Amino acid sequence: DAGVIQSPRHEVTEMGQEVTLRCKLISGHNSLFWYRQTMMRGLELLIYFNNNVPIDDSGMPEDRFSAKMPNASFSTLKIQPSEPRDSAVYFCASSFPAEGVYEQYFGPGTRLTVT
Amino acid sequence: DQQVKQNSPSLSVQEGRISILNCDYTNSMFDYFLWYKKYPAEGPTFLISISSIKDKNEDGRFTVFLNKSAKHLSLHIVPSQPGDSAVYFCAASRDINKFYFGSGTKLNVKP
Repeated sequence: DAGVIQSPRHEVTEMGQEVTLRCKLISGHNSLFWYRQTMMRGLELLIYFNNNVPIDDSGMPEDRFSAKMPNASFSTLKIQPSEPRDSAVYFCASSFPAEGVYEQYFGPGTRLTVT
Repeated sequence: DQQVKQNSPSLSVQEGRISILNCDYTNSMFDYFLWYKKYPAEGPTFLISISSIKDKNEDGRFTVFLNKSAKHLSLHIVPSQPGDSAVYFCAASRDINKFYFGSGTKLNVKP
């Protein structure tokens, strides 16, 4: 299995532009998580889905952020409009949570720079 | 307010010696804890876990200790190797999905 796949790996955009980050889950996993890593706040959970349904989006910073899971294997995180403070590394992770099995498998991340 | 804290942003250890990474949490409802390791330009990878019914879990050179009364866990790496140089995150959860991560500790193992 190729693991969790994220694209693009790097994104540089100007303030005000729309940014779409993409994630492909590991086959068979049914939970999907979006995280953001910054120097100030470390690794923070933005939103997670279970069986394609958003369960907890309390970490989404504001309405400029939205996430979708159109099918069981794919998700997008959209920022519109983007701002310089959105610059960070965005990770998605997937898992198949079960009793005694909690590990999440992370993708390589997308480094976003908003100028 | 961060519920999981790693108060040491960095740690430097000589090869062959023990590395001890610490993590504190505030929520007594947390019942499952994980450690992740992260190399530059890669995503975090799972290292070891422990549930609240245990106070120790060992996997090769890696041992995690949990002190529930102190709300503290630690990761011991013995012996440390240069390849262990990475950022280590601890994470805690009270359900099987929503994990709270610490800010990470950068470990440098010197040859």
